[in-house]
Amino acid sequence: NAGVTQTPKFQVLKTGQSMTLQCAQDMNHEYMSWYRQDPGMGLRLIHYSVGAGITDQGEVPNGYNVSRSTTEDFPLRLLSAAPSQTSVYFCASTRANTDTQYFGPGTRLTVL
Amino acid sequence: GESVGLHLPTLSVQEGDNSIINCAYSNSASDYFIWYKQESGKGPQFIIDIRSNMDKRQGQRVTVLLNKTVKHLSLQIAATQPGDSAVYFCAENAGGTSYGKLTFGQGTILTVHP
Repeated sequence: NAGVTQTPKFQVLKTGQSMTLQCAQDMNHEYMSWYRQDPGMGLRLIHYSVGAGITDQGEVPNGYNVSRSTTEDFPLRLLSAAPSQTSVYFCASTRANTDTQYFGPGTRLTVL
Repeated sequence: GESVGLHLPTLSVQEGDNSIINCAYSNSASDYFIWYKQESGKGPQFIIDIRSNMDKRQGQRVTVLLNKTVKHLSLQIAATQPGDSAVYFCAENAGGTSYGKLTFGQGTILTVHP
């Protein structure tokens, strides 16, 4: 199993550009989550999903959209990138009715 | 809002020493706690977890202690090695199944000197 995979590993955007961060998992986990990590801080939850077709907001959802059309994929979309969205983004997945999250390697995003 | 915090942001130890990393939590409803290790440029890796019906759990060279009375948990690493150098995060759910939502602490930087 590849576990949780994320692409791209690095991305530089200009203010106002849009892009999609990809996340996929091959463990058949029901729950998936997106976090951002800023320097000197822990991870903050952006959006999460408890199954295909179901998403909800986390602590810092503004500026981000998600969808969950399949169990495996959970893309994160930035509609109009802002410098405040410069961060490292981590995707995680969790088996239903458990709490242990498994993380991907992250995407380092810089918005100029 | 509820949060998880750490007492010590940095910890330096000598190789072979035991390390103790502390974490305070504020949500008394949380019933699941987890420790992650994050190496530079990588995603968090699961180390060990504990449920609130336990006060101690041991793994390979690691032990997690939970004190619900004072809302405190700690991670003990025995015979610390240079490969243990990383940032360590504690995280909690909000009670019941987390549904993919965990609240993370700030993190502690552990540096192990040879």
